[in-house]
Amino acid sequence: AQTVTQSQPEMSVQEAETVTLSCTYDTSESNYYLFWYKQPPSRQMILVIRQEAYKQQNATENRFSVNFQKAAKSFSLKISDSQLGDTAMYFCAFGGGATNKLIFGTGTLLAVQP
Amino acid sequence: DAGVIQSPRHEVTEMGQEVTLRCKPISGHNSLFWYRQTMMRGLELLIYFNNNVPIDDSGMPEDRFSAKMPNASFSTLKIQPSEPRDSAVYFCASSPRTRMDEQFFGPGTRLTVL
Repeated sequence: AQTVTQSQPEMSVQEAETVTLSCTYDTSESNYYLFWYKQPPSRQMILVIRQEAYKQQNATENRFSVNFQKAAKSFSLKISDSQLGDTAMYFCAFGGGATNKLIFGTGTLLAVQP
Repeated sequence: DAGVIQSPRHEVTEMGQEVTLRCKPISGHNSLFWYRQTMMRGLELLIYFNNNVPIDDSGMPEDRFSAKMPNASFSTLKIQPSEPRDSAVYFCASSPRTRMDEQFFGPGTRLTVL
């Protein structure tokens, strides 16, 4: 069975600084997808970035980028030039295998300080 | 596109009452997911449908919970009878046929059972 682990329950960063959120996963699948979702205080779940396991190139979306280390089963999210609006809970998620279910981590609460 | 629509946004009810949560997926999406989010258990998948057919309901906590998808544009999650421990935020998500792994979430329904 797949598992997703986020070992940082809470993090804090100063506005305009860079922060990295950690995620590790376990799977025996060869084809899969990894995601970072953001949940701000409004509680809306927003897809931030997506990575296909077969791609070696790390995904980027504006200020958001990932460091995907397939052998280490690590999938960290880097937020550059942090903004107050980045304050949210961030969830790492795994998708793949025979179904299109997503397995979510427990989340990291990120606070961006002015 | 209006995105995934859920109703009601908030529901307060008394223990023993029937509760029905509603979801309209994004038009053209063929997979629909129901999640429950609590502080204690995080984000849990309850059930998901492909082409209106329930595929995996192993996450449904007990027989008090039932879900239906009578057509491609509507789904319900019913709890009968409701209990205080059912208090949570319930999310509906949908995904397209071409990118089945990528889920788009609705705004959620906050359920409080007194």
